Amino acid sequence: EPEVTQTPSHQVTQMGQEVILRCVPISNHLYFYWYRQILGQKVEFLVSFYNNEISEKSEIFDDQFSVERPDGSNFTLKIRSTKLEDSAMYFCASSERQSYGYTFGSGTRLTVV
Amino acid sequence: AQKVTQAQTEISVVEKEDVTLDCVYETRDTTYYLFWYKQPPSGELVFLIRRNSFDEQNEISGRYSWNFQKSTSSFNFTITASQVVDSAVYFCALSETSGSRLTFGEGTQLTVNP
Repeated sequence: EPEVTQTPSHQVTQMGQEVILRCVPISNHLYFYWYRQILGQKVEFLVSFYNNEISEKSEIFDDQFSVERPDGSNFTLKIRSTKLEDSAMYFCASSERQSYGYTFGSGTRLTVV
Repeated sequence: AQKVTQAQTEISVVEKEDVTLDCVYETRDTTYYLFWYKQPPSGELVFLIRRNSFDEQNEISGRYSWNFQKSTSSFNFTITASQVVDSAVYFCALSETSGSRLTFGEGTQLTVNP
């Protein structure tokens, strides 16, 4: 069964450093998403991406965050200057159609120290 | 704005008991999708079911069943004869066809004791 692949599974970074979280969505999917889950809390939407541009973003997704699809397979989330409160599990997801059939990756646990 | 409420923060049952997890949602769209995900201690999100707003038929899959009632905006999930391996956090979620985001509830931590 097709999978969404996320790397790394765990990343530790110092406050103020830039991090890039990587995702390989399912190959025939057209919509890509990032979600965040702070430990013990619910899963929160960050951003959706379609046709090489952001289609929707949440209030969490401020100027510190950016997304990119640098080639035909990868989808990345960059956090420019990490803060302690960015520590969370970040999930990538993809879907064939909008709002339908999301497949989630296994997540990247980001720890900011 | 869309909203999902899971009023039960934690539920603890003994193995073989039946357990129902409640989910109530709010949306202004007439077309939407409802989901349940399981998050085991390992952290990944495991898809369980998707339901569209036009399909109110209840669904059964093995020990799992779902009761969708538009009249009460609820999409409840029942596990029959629970097992220790069912211990996890369960999330209900909603997506509207007018947008692209999936909105999750707060989750219910289910603990099944032997």
